[in-house]
Parts: sequence; structure tokens; C-alpha cells
Amino acid sequence: QLQLQESGPGLVKPSETLSLTCTVSGGSISSSSYYWGWIRQPPGKGLEWIGSIYYSGTTYYNPSLKSRVTISVDTSKNQFSLKLGSVTAADTAVYYCVAMGDYWGQGTLVTVSS
Amino acid sequence: DIVMTQTPLSSPVTLGQPASISCRSSQSLVHSDGNTSLSWLQQRPGQPPRLLIYKVSNRFSGVPDRFSGSGAGTDFTLKISRVEAEDVGVYYCMQATQFPVCTFGQGTKLEIK
Repeated sequence: QLQLQESGPGLVKPSETLSLTCTVSGGSISSSSYYWGWIRQPPGKGLEWIGSIYYSGTTYYNPSLKSRVTISVDTSKNQFSLKLGSVTAADTAVYYCVAMGDYWGQGTLVTVSS
Repeated sequence: DIVMTQTPLSSPVTLGQPASISCRSSQSLVHSDGNTSLSWLQQRPGQPPRLLIYKVSNRFSGVPDRFSGSGAGTDFTLKISRVEAEDVGVYYCMQATQFPVCTFGQGTKLEIK
């Protein structure tokens, strides 16, 4: 069974870039079975899809975030990453990495504050 | 964008009784290949979401058979035949007709009376 684990800073200053990495275990990120994605959940609120990537590098982004988001994959490390630029307090959320819809990481809280 | 609307937003249920949650999409979720990418997720308090149902009515691995999904086109339902204490949490419907692009319902909070 796939397992996903997010890692990265829990505190980011406004206007800076949020960077998170997801490490996949129990399977290969190069598997054609999955798209890999990031989903976030502001405290006490619902779920928002940020974007997804295929192992080949093809990416899909939420139009509302597209100008600020970059998702990349490192098949040699079985990892994929998220970068979200020019963050504000509205980007404070629990960020989940997912094997699109099927398997979820535990999530990591990222707070945007000076 | 496809908008997903869930009802009710809160559902108090007696243990052992059935529960039902509805999800309506702003447009048909039937893909050109004939599949319908509508899933249901459960989020227990303090936990990440987990997949319960995929493609409308298929239970994911390890999901108890008291959970069932049904529906077609734009109207979908999640049913719990007999609610147990561990079922408390928030339930989300998710569409991925333009996979991997997806959108979620607002969530329905299931609580015990």
C-alpha cells in the first residue's frame, strides 16, 4: 500500500515561497497508475485542489493558483514537490500530498505569518 | 468550473440508524469514455481524508460494506446503512471528470445525536 509523507517548513513569511516535498513509499512514483497531487485545507474549512503531476512531468494546476504554483517530480528520490510563491495569510492551511484521490499523506500545517 | 453542492451540511444521526448525504454537480459528470468520476471521502476528526467510494458506487479497499454510493449524471448519494461511532466526521464528494483536475463539495458533518 502506498504511503505518502509531506515535509517542509511549518512557518513561511508573507510574500515568500512555500516549499513542500512529498516522499512516496510502498510503490514507485514512476508508476503509470497514479497522478500525484497537492490538496490543501484551511483551518476549519473544506478541501481545495492545488495541482497534479504525472511521472513524465506533465502538470495540471488550479486556475486560481496557476500563476503562483510549480509542481515538480524527482523520480530518482521517489518524491514530488510543491512551490507556492508570493504567499499571504490566505495560504495558511494543512497541505496534503496525494496519489490522486486514492491515498493521502497525513498533511502538514503551513502558517503564513511574519 | 464544475460546482459540487452537498446536502445537508450537518447530519445528526442516532447510532444504528441509517444516514444519507446528497451531492449534486453543476453539470453532468459522465466522461466521454462512459465512466463517472465521482468519489466520496471521509475525514475523521484530526485525520486526513480517506477514500471511501470511487466511480459512484465502488468501495475502496478496506471500506465496510455499510457504506454505499449511488447516482448518475448530476445527482449522487452516499448511504450508511447503520451508523457507528467511528463514522463521525466530515464527508466530501469529489468530482474528477477532467482528471486529474478535481473539485470538492463543501462537506457534510456527520454527528451522533
